[in-house]
Amino acid sequence: EVQLVQSGAEVKKPGESLKISCKGSGYNFTNYWIGWVRQMPGKGLEWIATIYPLDSDNIYSPSFQGQVAVSTDSSINTAYLQWSSLKASDTAIYYCARLTTNCLVSDCFPTKYWFDPWGQGTLVTVSS
Amino acid sequence: QSVLTQPPSASGTPGHRVIISCSGSSSNIGSNSVHWYQQIRGAAPKVLVYRDSQRPSGVPDRFSGSKSGTSASLAISGLRSEDEADYYCAAWDASLSAWVFGGGTKVTVL
Repeated sequence: EVQLVQSGAEVKKPGESLKISCKGSGYNFTNYWIGWVRQMPGKGLEWIATIYPLDSDNIYSPSFQGQVAVSTDSSINTAYLQWSSLKASDTAIYYCARLTTNCLVSDCFPTKYWFDPWGQGTLVTVSS
Repeated sequence: QSVLTQPPSASGTPGHRVIISCSGSSSNIGSNSVHWYQQIRGAAPKVLVYRDSQRPSGVPDRFSGSKSGTSASLAISGLRSEDEADYYCAAWDASLSAWVFGGGTKVTVL
């Protein structure tokens, strides 16, 4: 079974750094893009960034570029999302999700990819 | 303000049909695949429809997706209480170079 398991909830103060994780299992981790999605309290889904574990190629949403960093450690099938200086407005649930496709030709990325499966989410609370 | 526009809410009685719309532009829905996600309260989203109209195994055929021009829709027929959830459309936007989501539609079963 393909599964993504995320690290537990975090409570941090403004200005602190944080790195949350997402461990994949049940598939070849290096061959699938992993994305991160934010859901602020009571709000909708926002795409943050996507990374390809094999070569660390990445794409950032213009809204999040420079605010967060994504990385992977293929030796332990884990992707990361990190902040160097948290703000109260970073309070949200953060989901990781694998990018999946059934497209067999080479020019399908990213248009014919979707997020599946998703991790269970990591609640990040930033408060003084 | 989301790039893809969905109605904030929709409702229906058990057994009836609900249709959720998703309006975009030529740079997203008009030229790329649309995917739909269901998020039941307190849980992670899961894909319901991918590439406009395909369903993953395990998703009932009561759920169907369609697309025309720069709009897409998700239909839920034979509405059941367990369909109460938030539904999001999503697509790649070539102008923004970003995956974009609709604002979400909360479906209530009356």
